[in-house]
Amino acid sequence: NAGVTQTPKFQVLKTGQSMTLQCAQDMNHNSMYWYRQDPGMGLRLIYYSASEGTTDKGEVPNGYNVSRLNKREFSLRLESAAPSQTSVYFCASSVLSTGGGTGELFFGEGSRLTVL
Amino acid sequence: SQQGEEDPQALSIQEGENATMNCSYKTSINNLQWYRQNSGRGLVHLILIRSNEREKHSGRLRVTLDTSKKSSSLLITASRAADTASYFCATGSSGTYKYIFGTGTRLKVLA
Repeated sequence: NAGVTQTPKFQVLKTGQSMTLQCAQDMNHNSMYWYRQDPGMGLRLIYYSASEGTTDKGEVPNGYNVSRLNKREFSLRLESAAPSQTSVYFCASSVLSTGGGTGELFFGEGSRLTVL
Repeated sequence: SQQGEEDPQALSIQEGENATMNCSYKTSINNLQWYRQNSGRGLVHLILIRSNEREKHSGRLRVTLDTSKKSSSLLITASRAADTASYFCATGSSGTYKYIFGTGTRLKVLA
């Protein structure tokens, strides 16, 4: 059971280059999320998708775009990478909760991105 | 700014002692969740408490929620060296599916 799979696990970019981080979940979850985590910090929400066909901005969306390709896949794109985007990126997915919002978030192992 | 703020930022205790971490948040929530992160790894879900619940237990974990004070606490009893990790609270704002994480508490349990 793969859970949440992120690719690539490591990437080094030069300033101005573009790249896409891929995320796929095999748990039939409705909601998917992209977070970034800087050293010694908590996670900051970049974008999320409550369900297939919808996407919404989180706390730090500038410099990023997302695509909810289908129910399984949610990609994060950096159009013109900047050193400030050096971070560890985590994808997560969740089912909707009967009490409102979503339930437990399941996380991938992270993608470590360095922008030189 | 982040929704959840944990306190303390760092905590160092001896094996067998209890560890208490606190989380404060700013808006109405659907639920509050606690996660653990071992160094260099992804986050692992520990426990979820709904806005209409006041206390929840799971093994050595006890979580309380006070919606009037917009705060929650996580108690780990009889701590073990393997509990050494960072602990984060995450809050789901009412009416949305957005989950915001706090800054985390780094727990070190000394053997």
